[in-house]
Amino acid sequence: DAGVTQSPTHLIKTRGQQVTLRCSPKSGHDTVSWYQQALGQGPQFIFQYYEEEERQRGNFPDRFSGHQFPNYSSELNVNALLLGDSALYLCASSWWGWTAQPEQYFGPGTRLTVT
Amino acid sequence: AQTVTQSQPEMSVQEAETVTLSCTYDTSESDYYLFWYKQPPSRQMILVIRQEAYKQQNATENRFSVNFQKAAKSFSLKISDSQLGDAAMYFCARRPQGGSEKLVFGKGTKLTVNP
Repeated sequence: DAGVTQSPTHLIKTRGQQVTLRCSPKSGHDTVSWYQQALGQGPQFIFQYYEEEERQRGNFPDRFSGHQFPNYSSELNVNALLLGDSALYLCASSWWGWTAQPEQYFGPGTRLTVT
Repeated sequence: AQTVTQSQPEMSVQEAETVTLSCTYDTSESDYYLFWYKQPPSRQMILVIRQEAYKQQNATENRFSVNFQKAAKSFSLKISDSQLGDAAMYFCARRPQGGSEKLVFGKGTKLTVNP
């Protein structure tokens, strides 16, 4: 049973560029959430996708956008990169029918460095 | 703001001994879930244990157990018979029972296990 996978593992971009990060959820999961984890901090919620729609959004600017595909995989796009966007980006999957399984399962993350 | 606070940035324990990590949280909801996640240097966020707020009984998972004090909004993690592989960052997180699956994390506690 494959867990949550993310690609790429590492990424280096220049200020002002755009980046796309990818996530495949755990088998049987239909909901994907994205988190940003700055160095030395806990993860911060960016947004969540279910049924190909953004269901909830954290306190992040519109430069952060996403997409969910019919197979439940997801992309996180960040435009006009800033130095402060350097962080570990975590994808987490879960099942919308959360009463049975309320926990989220995380991928290994993508380390984004903006220079 | 509904926050999660981990007051111990770092903790250390001798192998085979017991250590307790602290977590307090702020919420206006009566029903919610609490989690402890472990993040080793590999970066993968691994679920350690979960607690439903409506349950009075403290959750246990092998060597890991929690002390959940709902009135005090406290949720500590006890690790018994500590092993070298327990060394990691530990994050406390909360999510509401209904609606949003957004996780709110604390800043983490770095646990060192000394041989």
